[in-house]
Amino acid sequence: EAEVAQSPRYKITEKSQAVAFWCDPISGHATLYWYRQILGQGPELLVQFQDESVVDDSQLPKDRFSAERLKGVDSTLKIQPAELGDSAMYLCASSLNSGTKTEAFFGQGTRLTVV
Amino acid sequence: KQEVTQIPAALSVPEGENLVLNCSFTDSAIYNLQWFRQDPGKGLTSLLLIQSSQREQTSGRLNASLDKSSGRSTLYIAASQPGDSATYLCAVRGGTYKYIFGTGTRLKVLA
Repeated sequence: EAEVAQSPRYKITEKSQAVAFWCDPISGHATLYWYRQILGQGPELLVQFQDESVVDDSQLPKDRFSAERLKGVDSTLKIQPAELGDSAMYLCASSLNSGTKTEAFFGQGTRLTVV
Repeated sequence: KQEVTQIPAALSVPEGENLVLNCSFTDSAIYNLQWFRQDPGKGLTSLLLIQSSQREQTSGRLNASLDKSSGRSTLYIAASQPGDSATYLCAVRGGTYKYIFGTGTRLKVLA
């Protein structure tokens, strides 16, 4: 069964260092999402891509976060420099745009700990 | 701005009970609503998708209903089992394909 792949699963980094996460969506899915989930809360959208274009990055802290999806397939989310408050689960999801039947599929996430 | 609320925040029940999880949203102009399950430290697993034109969807012991006009959805779990213990999240999708999540209900089913 097709899955959304994310790596790494876990990442520990020191404050002020750079960190990057990778996501490979389900083949053929044009829409890709990056969500951040703080412990005990629901996921919040950081950035949404339609193919290689950014559709929504209104909640992305652009002074330190960047995201790209150069060929409209896999995507990278980068944080530089990392701060203690960035500790969270980073979730990638993808969907095949089919109107009201559109269903989102999530990866296993990357658990980031900033020390 | 769409806001999604889930009640209760946490629930503990004995095995075998039927239970209802609630999800409410402020903007009824949604395309669909999706229920997810999340195990500790893991990603989200899709349980049920209800399109805006539908009233309910069923999968095994799970039944989800949608009342768009009142901004409510419920997830009904029949004959709960310890393996059902997890956090349950609902998410609504608007016209831009953006999903807005609730804060989840943490369910614990006691053996």
